[in-house]
Amino acid sequence: QVQLQESGPGLVKPSETLSLTCAVSGYSISSGCYWGWIRQPPGKGLEWIGSIYHSGSTYHNTSLKSRVTISVDTSKNQFSLKLSSVTAADTAVYYCARHVGSAAWDWFDPWGQGTLVTVSS
Amino acid sequence: QSVLTQPPSASGTPGQRVTISCSGSSSNIGSNYVYWYQQLPGTAPKLLIYKNNQRPSGVPDRFSGSKSGTSASLAISGLRSEDEADYYCAAWDDSLSGWVFGGGTKLTVL
Repeated sequence: QVQLQESGPGLVKPSETLSLTCAVSGYSISSGCYWGWIRQPPGKGLEWIGSIYHSGSTYHNTSLKSRVTISVDTSKNQFSLKLSSVTAADTAVYYCARHVGSAAWDWFDPWGQGTLVTVSS
Repeated sequence: QSVLTQPPSASGTPGQRVTISCSGSSSNIGSNYVYWYQQLPGTAPKLLIYKNNQRPSGVPDRFSGSKSGTSASLAISGLRSEDEADYYCAAWDDSLSGWVFGGGTKLTVL
């Protein structure tokens, strides 16, 4: 049974870089799926951030692309998100999820439990 | 402003049938599958419907999905109190080369 767990600082200062890691268990990250990041501001809807394949191929939300870096570490069976120059608008619950398939347009399932990141000085 | 449009709220009484709509465009719903996620309070989204109308194992057949043109719908029959949640539609958008979500519909069971 595949499980995903997000981890990282819960508080980030404005203008700094948000860094999160998603640890995958029960499934090899190299097995041929895309892996994604989605966020949800408090009380608001879902926003896709980007997705990565084990080879390093990525897709990004064009509205965030210049600030987003997604990477994968197959040796640790995990993938990561970096979001630079954060502002209060980046305060959200950040979820990682597996794509059900080898294409970025394959749907997300399952999701991690999510981690709240607050941007504040 | 979400790319996919959903009503912000819906409601029904136990046993009723409710539907939630999701409107998009030719680059997303019109040319790709639609997915539905259920988000219970304080939890992560859970896959409810995939590929327009398919239910994952474990999802009751009270939940059904449909798609026509650039719109999709989620129907919940025999409404139960535990169905009270936020529901999101999602689709891949060919023009954006990325995923788009609806703004979510909060379902209240009266």
